[in-house]
Amino acid sequence: DTAVSQTPKYLVTQMGNDKSIKCEQNLGHDTMYWYKQDSKKFLKIMFSYNNKELIINETVPNRFSPKSPDKAHLNLHINSLELGDSAVYFCASSQEGTETEAFFGQGTRLTVV
Amino acid sequence: GNSVTQMEGPVTLSEEAFLTINCTYTATGYPSLFWYVQYPGEGLQLLLKATKADDKGSNKGFEATYRKETTSFHLEKGSVQVSDSAVYFCALTSNTGGFKTIFGAGTRLFVKA
Repeated sequence: DTAVSQTPKYLVTQMGNDKSIKCEQNLGHDTMYWYKQDSKKFLKIMFSYNNKELIINETVPNRFSPKSPDKAHLNLHINSLELGDSAVYFCASSQEGTETEAFFGQGTRLTVV
Repeated sequence: GNSVTQMEGPVTLSEEAFLTINCTYTATGYPSLFWYVQYPGEGLQLLLKATKADDKGSNKGFEATYRKETTSFHLEKGSVQVSDSAVYFCALTSNTGGFKTIFGAGTRLFVKA
């Protein structure tokens, strides 16, 4: 059973389109995250949700909007895609608390052409 | 704010060589420290962790000790294998401004047979 699953794994789309990436975790965790990994492997947090509420929103263009219908799901919607949005996007989850590790999905490689 | 700095790569070693990847951090409060590993085409997975000063985390022959006096969490392995080739991320989790895990830039390790 996959603990954190995200779909699709690959996404190729044209500039200006709107797309969504879905994430689901079956670990019963309270907190879910979205991270962006650029071509140099640098990993940057975008959003964090705890029990369906947004608790961290880093400096991210407002074209990016997370949506959490329940605490097991955190989807990422991106409007008006730009070339610079091309990256690998990782969903992760963790139990609340500083001592617990994050569990990551396999990543979604987004390519904007 | 909190931050994690780790040595730049890539690091190239021969099989059975000794590995050190340096990591230092800046944080308020009492963070937990982690090393994650990312194999090609996969998401990150926890390698080891330490939740308080002087704790040593270990797994698969890798070790790291939480040094509060030097704000460091260096990763070591006595004898690397080709299968250890991956990207390694140092990270900390704190509850400053909401539970958040911050990652270093990642260090790519290549091990030659």
